[in-house]
Amino acid sequence: SQTIHQWPATLVQPVGSPLSLECTVEGTSNPNLYWYRQAAGRGLQLLFYSVGIGQISSEVPQNLSASRPQDRQFILSSKKLLLSDSGFYLCALKGGPNEQFFGPGTRLTVL
Amino acid sequence: GDSVTQMEGPVTLSEEAFLTINCTYTATGYPSLFWYVQYPGEGLQLLLKATKADDKGSNKGFEATYRKETTSFHLEKGSVQVSDSAVYFCALANTNAGKSTFGDGTTLTVKP
Repeated sequence: SQTIHQWPATLVQPVGSPLSLECTVEGTSNPNLYWYRQAAGRGLQLLFYSVGIGQISSEVPQNLSASRPQDRQFILSSKKLLLSDSGFYLCALKGGPNEQFFGPGTRLTVL
Repeated sequence: GDSVTQMEGPVTLSEEAFLTINCTYTATGYPSLFWYVQYPGEGLQLLLKATKADDKGSNKGFEATYRKETTSFHLEKGSVQVSDSAVYFCALANTNAGKSTFGDGTTLTVKP
C-alpha cells in the first residue's frame, strides 16, 4: 500500500533562514506529487505539483520552490523564509482516479 | 476556473444530532467530488467520493449525493459522535493531472 513520509513533523525557523521540507513515498512508482499549504483557519492552497522527475509546475508565485530529484522524493525549499510562510505543509500523491492521498504534514512556524 | 464553496464554520453539535455541511461547486465538464476529513494535527483522509451525477458516496455513516442540477455535494450524517470532531473539506477534481480544488474547510465539534 502507498505510504507518504514527511520530514520534519514540526519546525520553528527565524525569518530569513532557509527551508527544506522532504516528502518521500513508498508503494508506488512514477506518482503525481503535490505540495499544499494550509494556513491557520484556512483551506488548502496548492503550491506545486510534479508529474515526474525534474518536472515541476508552480501554481502560485511565492517565496518557495520545489524539486523532484528522484521518482519518489519531492522537496519544498526556500532561500529566505517570510512570516507569511508559516503554516501546515502537506504532501500528497494522486491515488485512485483523481483522489488525493495525503501525508501527515509538517507544521512550520516562522518567527 | 473551478471553485468549491462550503458552509462556514465552526459547527457545534451535541452527540447524536443530525449533521449537514453544505458544499456547492463551479466547474466545467463533469468533475469527481470528494469529502476529506482532517483530525487534529493530522493530514487529510478521503472520507467519501462520487464520480458522476446522482452517485451517492458513503462511509462511516456519512453520505453525500452528487447533484448536478444544483451543483451540490452536501455532507450528511444522521447521528454524530464525539469522535467525528474534525475539519471537513469538500473538493473536486476535474483534470487528468489529478489536481483538486478544495473548499476552505468546516470545523465540526461534537459535544457529549
